[in-house]
Amino acid sequence: RKEVEQDPGPFNVPEGATVAFNCTYSNSASQSFFWYRQDCRKEPKLLMSVYSSGNEDGRFTAQLNRASQYISLLIRDSKLSDSATYLCVVVPPLNTGFQKLVFGTGTRLLVSP
Amino acid sequence: GAGVSQTPSNKVTEKGKYVELRCDPISGHTALYWYRQSLGQGPEFLIYFQGTGAADDSGLPNDRFFAVRPEGSVSTLKIQRTERGDSAVYLCASSPQGRGTGELFFGEGSRLTVL
Repeated sequence: RKEVEQDPGPFNVPEGATVAFNCTYSNSASQSFFWYRQDCRKEPKLLMSVYSSGNEDGRFTAQLNRASQYISLLIRDSKLSDSATYLCVVVPPLNTGFQKLVFGTGTRLLVSP
Repeated sequence: GAGVSQTPSNKVTEKGKYVELRCDPISGHTALYWYRQSLGQGPEFLIYFQGTGAADDSGLPNDRFFAVRPEGSVSTLKIQRTERGDSAVYLCASSPQGRGTGELFFGEGSRLTVL
């Protein structure tokens, strides 16, 4: 089983729609969780952190469910500029003193006019 | 700009050749990472440096791959006897320290094509 699993998509949605992505992780002792965004042929960039209590940043909401070992990202009122690949990122248990980020395959979002 | 700089941006080579990829991290960042991203996949961890030493090289696929960071700043990823399966985008990232906020600052990558 992969450490981090995501539906690769693509998710095709119209402007203004609400879309949600899920991601599951295999190691229940994982310590930190993030969503990164990657535009086509560009480098990944941190979108937001994910906390058990939920984390909201404008139109974006991220949540963590430790019991079920999944992470979600909700995007409200989608914009054309939201079209990108969204990478789920997990940090395994701290055993070497550094944050080794493990990336999922990414979920591709296409927002159309 | 003051971001992570990687050279070359594109490299086409023949099977069996030797390749070096260079990464210049953000000034002052002590932690440096190399990742590899194949088409349709997420970045895959290769190696992590804290300062000059390789703190974790568990992601290097085999002994054809080697990386150095002799002065704790610029790093070079070296690939010997390249194979077609080595074709990918090699991403370098840096952060102020090894443990932190989860934010790695990536370069635009070096796209390697092995013919």
